[in-house]
Amino acid sequence: NAGVTQTPKFQVLKTGQSMTLQCAQDMNHNSMYWYRQDPGMGLRLIYYSASEGTTDKGEVPNGYNVSRLNKREFSLRLESAAPSQTSVYFCASTPSAGVTETQYFGPGTRLLVL
Amino acid sequence: LAKTTQPISMDSYEGQEVNITCSHNNIATNDYITWYQQFPSQGPRFIIQGYKTKVTNEVASLFIPADRKSSTLSLPRVSLSDTAVYYCLVGDTQMDSSYKLIFGSGTRLLVRP
Repeated sequence: NAGVTQTPKFQVLKTGQSMTLQCAQDMNHNSMYWYRQDPGMGLRLIYYSASEGTTDKGEVPNGYNVSRLNKREFSLRLESAAPSQTSVYFCASTPSAGVTETQYFGPGTRLLVL
Repeated sequence: LAKTTQPISMDSYEGQEVNITCSHNNIATNDYITWYQQFPSQGPRFIIQGYKTKVTNEVASLFIPADRKSSTLSLPRVSLSDTAVYYCLVGDTQMDSSYKLIFGSGTRLLVRP
């Protein structure tokens, strides 16, 4: 039981390049989330998926797209990376949507955009 | 938006009790308050959650006054391994009934020997 896994662990991109961050959970959770954390800052919600087949914007969705591929997987795509997207990206999951649910976080993906 | 405010940093010594307060003036009626702990290079992990009054588990206590406009995380007898960033999380229900989870700015706790 691995919990929440993320790939890659680290990535360097040039401005304008695209990439997809992968997230998977094996806890049979319905809801999944993508956050970004800038150096010395708190986490900000980018997108979330309350259940399979649904996605919604969070606090900072601009420049990102997401896909809830199935119940296990939730990917985050940067179509044209910008230096402002340099950050650590965390994926999380909960049994269902809502703040009362404990969020289980992955180890993070460190992204550097040059 | 149910914005949260926390102290940026706190210092303590091993064996002391540490209290970290979070302000959330616009908390919604059905919102719960949750605290997370984050070590460097790791994702946050759940510490405690509450709605009203006092909640206690094996690692911390959470005090919430009647007006729920603030909450206080209490860590009894901290050790060096409690050095971390602590986040206060309050759910925010927008007019479209979707939840937009907002983390506080976090409090960096440094525990000294």
